[in-house]
Amino acid sequence: SYELTQPPSMSVAPGETARITCGRSNIGTNSMHWYQQKPGQAPVVVVFDGSDRPSGIPERFSGSDSGDTATLIISRVEVGDEADYYCQICDSRNDHGVFGGGTKLTVL
Amino acid sequence: QVQLVESGGGVVQPGKSLRLSCAASGFIFETYGMHWVRQAPGKGLEWVAVISYDGNNKYYADSVKGRFIISRDNSKNTLYLQMNSLRTKDTAVYYCAKDRTAYCSNMRCYGPNDYWGQGTLVTVSS
Repeated sequence: SYELTQPPSMSVAPGETARITCGRSNIGTNSMHWYQQKPGQAPVVVVFDGSDRPSGIPERFSGSDSGDTATLIISRVEVGDEADYYCQICDSRNDHGVFGGGTKLTVL
Repeated sequence: QVQLVESGGGVVQPGKSLRLSCAASGFIFETYGMHWVRQAPGKGLEWVAVISYDGNNKYYADSVKGRFIISRDNSKNTLYLQMNSLRTKDTAVYYCAKDRTAYCSNMRCYGPNDYWGQGTLVTVSS
């Protein structure tokens, strides 16, 4: 089977750095994308192609991708960053789109 | 500005069919692949299907293959999802989403979903 694995939840204090990981299993090498979803809203892409940031997304959001694990990095976390975060890939090995299970970020 | 508006959701009995629509505006619809993504109540996102910009290439999640059909009408700027043999596990909010990459027709070049609709709720229940 193929999958992307994320930690279900994590907590961070305001001003600290959050690092959300996404592990690949039996998935091709296409670039990883990251989405933020707040309650009752549609997802918003915050990082694409591993480390690129769409216009309008704060520089505090960045990403890295080292083979088997991709990481979303949120620097100087704010209360407004509290949300669910999903990694996603278009998997050319299996011809499927795949989302990770999501990580609920709590800002204490 | 880009707008995606889904419609067609509702309550349907198991085994029945439903067709969702997604009306697109604010971009050149015929040049971008389009996805359907769903989210069961309280659960995570699940990719459902993608269709190429010209409608010639389609890919499906294993959970819906053989039951759902994705299609598009570029003359009407509209994306569709025909859902047949519905099951209770298909209950979810269904989102349509635009792919960021133009003129892509296979999984090697599809990119992120840069615009999403607000979703339409499908409830499969007897």
